[in-house]
Amino acid sequence: DAKTTQPNSMESNEEEPVHLPCNHSTISGTDYIHWYRQLPSQGPEYVIHGLTSNVNNRMASLAIAEDRKSSTLILHRATLRDAAVYYCIPNTGNQFYFGTGTSLTVIP
Amino acid sequence: GAGVSQTPSNKVTEKGKYVELRCDPISGHTALYWYRQSLGQGPEFLIYFQGTGAADDSGLPNDRFFAVRPEGSVSTLKIQRTERGDSAVYLCASSLTGDRVRNEQFFGPGTRLTVL
Repeated sequence: DAKTTQPNSMESNEEEPVHLPCNHSTISGTDYIHWYRQLPSQGPEYVIHGLTSNVNNRMASLAIAEDRKSSTLILHRATLRDAAVYYCIPNTGNQFYFGTGTSLTVIP
Repeated sequence: GAGVSQTPSNKVTEKGKYVELRCDPISGHTALYWYRQSLGQGPEFLIYFQGTGAADDSGLPNDRFFAVRPEGSVSTLKIQRTERGDSAVYLCASSLTGDRVRNEQFFGPGTRLTVL
């Protein structure tokens, strides 16, 4: 599975957009890029995933670089409930390698 | 509908004791996963079940750890001769099928295990 690099932490003001980057330079051609987040004292929850094209859902958007070596999770309007650790996980196999993720702080 | 549930929510045991952690997946989900999460770290994969069989147990740290899913639904993670280093939150997840590239995993709240 591809190794990932994410900032340890980021801050955003409430109701502003947030761009969470992830580098996965060793990604293979068949690896999907998954994003999960973990709110305090809870299990992780699915956010979004994609392969090559940009993806949108009700929670977020996923922008994937043309060479697929990086991706960006976009929260269009951060709320206090979005404060969590965000994990970028490129994978095809059975195992998800979560890494340490990015801890997002949302400032009221 | 009900999500993934795990029992107990907290377990305190003494070094050397045996513990069992239970996971009830979402009804109809054929794939089930166990993870372990230490403080400040992301979840670490332990084992993956497809139906009743362990399709991938390569994440189990040693032979003190064992998991079963005898009827393809509820799963139990068993830890023998617990050590202080086993203290962590143990997370269970299920997904509709084992197609990991498409099916999202639904996580339970975890069991916090403390080994004194």
